[in-house]
Amino acid sequence: SQTIHQWPATLVQPVGSPLSLECTVEGTSNPNLYWYRQAAGRGLQLLFYSVGIGQISSEVPQNLSASRPQDRQFILSSKKLLLSDSGFYLCAWSSGPYKNIQYFGAGTRLSVL
Amino acid sequence: GEDVEQSLFLSVREGDSSVINCTYTDSSSTYLYWYKQEPGAGLQLLTYIFSNMDMKQDQRLTVLLNKKDKHLSLRIADTQTGDSAIYFCAESYLNTDKLIFGTGTRLQVFP
Repeated sequence: SQTIHQWPATLVQPVGSPLSLECTVEGTSNPNLYWYRQAAGRGLQLLFYSVGIGQISSEVPQNLSASRPQDRQFILSSKKLLLSDSGFYLCAWSSGPYKNIQYFGAGTRLSVL
Repeated sequence: GEDVEQSLFLSVREGDSSVINCTYTDSSSTYLYWYKQEPGAGLQLLTYIFSNMDMKQDQRLTVLLNKKDKHLSLRIADTQTGDSAIYFCAESYLNTDKLIFGTGTRLQVFP
């Protein structure tokens, strides 16, 4: 069966520090991968999605970047965090003939102070 | 532009039925989805409905789709305290692999 892992679960970082959040998927190959942000009390905003290694599409201009160095690994990064980067970050995957059915990880809560 | 709207809160008594509503804008959506998010957790896919269906039932969950009005609802029968969570409606965007989410409805179940 397929599983998705995100880490860390919680992160507190100072303004101006770098960021690296990691997401890995097991039990499937060539998945679509997604990064979302959920601000407090709001819905989900799609940040990046990837259909293959090295293929990243950015949905909104921002202080963040994403990379996909391996088929089942998706990384969210920043060189210098802003206060507005605080939020709950969710990774998701989809695969197979129903690539628009997405499955989510447990999320990373990021607080930038 | 694309938009998915939901009411923000719903409060029901344990044992009653809950109905969570959603309106969407993209008439070409292939699938529509309901996700559940418990506090501090990721999103759990509850159910989805293909756009050529009017209704889908899965145990205590019933999804109704009115394509003419672009209205989707999720009915939870015999609501339990464990059903307390935020429920997100989502539509597939222009037949792509991307989803557009609503803002979520916070369901509170009281004894």
